[in-house]
Order: sequence, then structure tokens, then C-alpha cells
Amino acid sequence: NAGVTQTPKFRILKIGQSMTLQCAQDMNHNYMYWYRQDPGMGLKLIYYSVGAGITDKGEVPNGYNVSRSTTEDFPLRLELAAPSQTSVYFCASSYSFGQGNEQYFGPGTRLTVT
Amino acid sequence: AQKVTQAQTEISVVEKEDVTLDCVYETRDTTYYLFWYKQPPSGELVFLIRRNSFDEQNEISGRYSWNFQKSTSSFNFTITASQVVDSAVYFCALSAGGGADGLTFGKGTHLIIQP
Repeated sequence: NAGVTQTPKFRILKIGQSMTLQCAQDMNHNYMYWYRQDPGMGLKLIYYSVGAGITDKGEVPNGYNVSRSTTEDFPLRLELAAPSQTSVYFCASSYSFGQGNEQYFGPGTRLTVT
Repeated sequence: AQKVTQAQTEISVVEKEDVTLDCVYETRDTTYYLFWYKQPPSGELVFLIRRNSFDEQNEISGRYSWNFQKSTSSFNFTITASQVVDSAVYFCALSAGGGADGLTFGKGTHLIIQP
């Protein structure tokens, strides 16, 4: 199993550009998550999904959108990138219940908006 | 709302010393889970341990041990005989609320092990 994969690993965006961060998992996990990690801070939840077609906002959803058309994929869309979105983005997945199940994390995407 | 506090921003010790990383959590839920993750300089997140609110037994795994005390809402992590490879940022995290809404992370403790 590849686990949780994320692409790209690095990206530089100009202010106002858009992009999609890709996330895929091959563990047949129902639950998937997007977090962002700012320097010197812990991770904060952006969006999460409990299954295909179901998504919900986390703590910091503004400026982002998600979709979940399949169990395997959970892309994160940035519209009109802003410098405040410079961060490291982690995707994660877990088995059946979000609570109590270990979350498996991808390697992260380092995004810089200038 | 849940909250995790890691008061130690950075700890520096000399190799072979023992070191304890503190974690204090807040939740109104009676069922919750606590986690520790390690983030080495390479940046990935490595799962270390999960503990549920009904199991207060301490756990030992090699040089690592965890002390869970509900009375003080703490879940501390001790590394015995530290090694340079233990240098990393360590995060404590909490999952509660009965749903699937992710983990609440502390801000992390940067552990530096000097040779």
C-alpha cells in the first residue's frame, strides 16, 4: 500500500492564482481530512469528509473548497490564493470512525503564495 | 470545544538525559482519545501512541513511556536515555465530540538532543 499520497510536494503561487492540492489513499478509509500547519504551530483542520459525497468544514475553511467524489480521493481547491495561505498542507485518512482511530498522514505539500 | 496545551515550546538536553514533554488537554466529553505524533526535520508526521479516556494505564515502548492522568487532564511523554535521532517536534492531539471532525493539536514541543 502507498498509504496517503499528496501532490505536489512544493508549489509557489502568485496572489490571485488558483490551484488544487491532490490527496489519495489506498487503504479504503472512509474518513479523510485536510490540515494546514503554519510555522511554530500545530495543525489546524480545514475540511473533512466522512465518505464519498459528504464533506464538512473544520476550524479554518475560508478560502478553500473540497470535493469527495470517490472514497480514494479528496482534493483541496484554493481559489484566489492569498499570502495568508502560505503553509504546509497535510492530508490524512482514518478507518471507520474519526474518533479514536489513528489518522494516517500524507507527506505534506509546502505552498508559498507571493 | 477542545483544547490541547503544550507549554514547552522548546527543550534542549544532552544525549542520554531523560526528558519529559508535557501535554494538558481540555474537553467536556467523557469519551475521547489522546495521541502523540512525532515530526522529524524531514516534515512527515509519525504516529507514536493513542490512548482512550477509559484506559489510564501507563504505557512503555522501548525508551518511550506515557503517563495519562485524568485527574490533572494530562498526557505526558517521557523519553529515557535520549538520542540525537529523537530530535524532532512532538505534537499532542485530542479527538473528542463523538464525531469524525478531526484532531485538535497542541502547538508542539521542539526537542533538541545535543550530542
